[in-house]
Amino acid sequence: DTGVSQDPRHKITKRGQNVTFRCDPISEHNRLYWYRQTLGQGPEFLTYFQNEAQLEKSRLLSDRFSAERPKGSFSTLEIQRTEQGDSAMYLCASSLISGNTIYFGEGSWLTVV
Amino acid sequence: AQTVTQSQPEMSVQEAETVTLSCTYDTSESDYYLFWYKQPPSRQMILVIRQEAYKQQNATENRFSVNFQKAAKSFSLKISDSQLGDAAMYFCAYRSAKIPNRDDKIIFGKGTRLHILP
Repeated sequence: DTGVSQDPRHKITKRGQNVTFRCDPISEHNRLYWYRQTLGQGPEFLTYFQNEAQLEKSRLLSDRFSAERPKGSFSTLEIQRTEQGDSAMYLCASSLISGNTIYFGEGSWLTVV
Repeated sequence: AQTVTQSQPEMSVQEAETVTLSCTYDTSESDYYLFWYKQPPSRQMILVIRQEAYKQQNATENRFSVNFQKAAKSFSLKISDSQLGDAAMYFCAYRSAKIPNRDDKIIFGKGTRLHILP
């Protein structure tokens, strides 16, 4: 069990470009979550999957954001036409449906310049 | 909707002393989980301690313990014998235990930054 891994750890992009983040959850974890965290704030929920089904999306997830988990294993979070306000850390987490603890990855830092 | 409130943005404690971080929450549910997560400067969120709402006994993990007051909707974290490595942001968090649970997300407070003074 290697924990939740995220890639890339850091991304600097120009405004208007698209970026994609990848998350590999702990194996056998059915649920996968995406959160966004800005400096000095707590994580804000974006979306979560149960296996390959996206069950909930926050209103924070604008049309420029899309998340997938095609085979119920890894997930991707894509941000299109990035804006400076998208600069944040994007956290991925996973858990078992029957489990009561969510485990987090190290996060992917996005800086939009 | 559930909310989690941490009223102390920052706290400081002398090394080897004890410190208590406060957290209150609001929910209409009777069954849920509460967590304290630690986020050191390296930024990975690490679980510190977990409490099931149906358990009356307060959870303890080594130097970390909680004071869970269900009626008051209070969930404080006590760190004993503070160490320099305890310096971090601490987040209080709530998760529903409802089954089946489609509204399944952890709700976080804004965090408390803990400084350890040598």
